[in-house]
Amino acid sequence: DTEVTQTPKHLVMGMTNKKSLKCEQHMGHRAMYWYKQKAKKPPELMFVYSYEKLSINESVPSRFSPECPNSSLLNLHLHALQPEDSALYLCASSPYTSGRLKETQYFGPGTRLLVL
Amino acid sequence: RKEVEQDPGPFNVPEGATVAFNCTYSNSASQSFFWYRQDCRKEPKLLMSVYSSGNEDGRFTAQLNRASQYISLLIRDSKLSDSATYLCVVNPTDSWGKLQFGAGTQVVVTP
Repeated sequence: DTEVTQTPKHLVMGMTNKKSLKCEQHMGHRAMYWYKQKAKKPPELMFVYSYEKLSINESVPSRFSPECPNSSLLNLHLHALQPEDSALYLCASSPYTSGRLKETQYFGPGTRLLVL
Repeated sequence: RKEVEQDPGPFNVPEGATVAFNCTYSNSASQSFFWYRQDCRKEPKLLMSVYSSGNEDGRFTAQLNRASQYISLLIRDSKLSDSATYLCVVNPTDSWGKLQFGAGTQVVVTP
């Protein structure tokens, strides 16, 4: 089972709202990722967690706040977003083993976010 | 220079024909390579990993040329369902977790 699930599928929010995106995987993977993807562009890495610790933050604005409550769950808390933050937000996971330099990542279906 | 470069296409392919396209990568130390397929408004899905000797999965064949630093994907007997954007992805050995994505090659298979 190589499934990563994400909720909600779609989200519309105003610039003053607070919302959260959720991601879950039950593959025993120990690395989880958040990406942002705009139309006709490749995914852009935002955050990486390994063993529930934040290991990479790609200089993402503080209005995006990640959280990893346990090894299966990853959240992305959103606050005071801008219209240009509208995009597809993808979660991914990878095993994070001794061979991690050769690992690939498995993506969830994404949350399509529209900020008004 | 971009880390991973792909011809954006679109490659318009008649059903049943063969199509091939490449991507080039800049980091000669990269060790692992992948092709993902992404349908419109969907997530990227792993199509296949690319191994040094090249590998085949049904109608799909991937090749790696380390000397020239390019990866290729060939699709034989194209199906309408092969229409998608194909992302070339490189896992750089010096930067764990930061997959390098090409911008994607769009393939459109026509009846």
